[in-house]
Amino acid sequence: GAVVSQHPSWVICKSGTSVKIECRSLDFQATTMFWYRQFPKQSLMLMATSNEGSKATYEQGVEKDKFLINHASLTLSTLTVTSAHPEDSSFYICSAGDYSYEQYFGPGTRLTVT
Amino acid sequence: QQQVKQSPQSLIVQKGGISIINCAYENTAFDYFPWYQQFPGKGPALLIAIRPDVSEKKEGRFTISFNKSAKQFSLHIMDSQPGDSATYFCAAGSPQGGKLIFGQGTELSVKP
Repeated sequence: GAVVSQHPSWVICKSGTSVKIECRSLDFQATTMFWYRQFPKQSLMLMATSNEGSKATYEQGVEKDKFLINHASLTLSTLTVTSAHPEDSSFYICSAGDYSYEQYFGPGTRLTVT
Repeated sequence: QQQVKQSPQSLIVQKGGISIINCAYENTAFDYFPWYQQFPGKGPALLIAIRPDVSEKKEGRFTISFNKSAKQFSLHIMDSQPGDSATYFCAAGSPQGGKLIFGQGTELSVKP
């Protein structure tokens, strides 16, 4: 099956700093990548959708200036959490989709902001 | 109208039993219904998915039943095993941007 990787798998940063998370589709070209956020014992909340070479589409209530998404190629998307605060601590998961409906999820990145 | 409601929130089943998780949706534009399995600290993994043109799909021990008129679909796990203990999410997708709307999740525990 399709493989999606995320890096790093976990990161701890100080309040006020920025953190970049990478999402790569390893064996297929992803026309669309999605970024989700998941709090403990809760469902996945879609943050934004990105297509290669175009601006990301953010869901209502997600601050686009805080969560910067770049989809530079058909295999790489990055999420940058700018000026992180403790309330940004969460599990961030990306998924990649091809021309079908199927989304292939990465293993997630645990972000802790101290 | 974009919600997908999932129940139960948690489920305990004996080894060898049948686990049943239900989902309901409102938006008739949804035309793709996948189920995902997630272990703690991991990303979700696609288990099985169905389109509205069929009422049932089976893959190994996993079966999706789909009722288009009732706007409901369910996951049946036959011969449940302790290794199936995980959180299960249903989702619904629409042609608009390929987005998935996830249910609230069901935490399944299979007792040996």
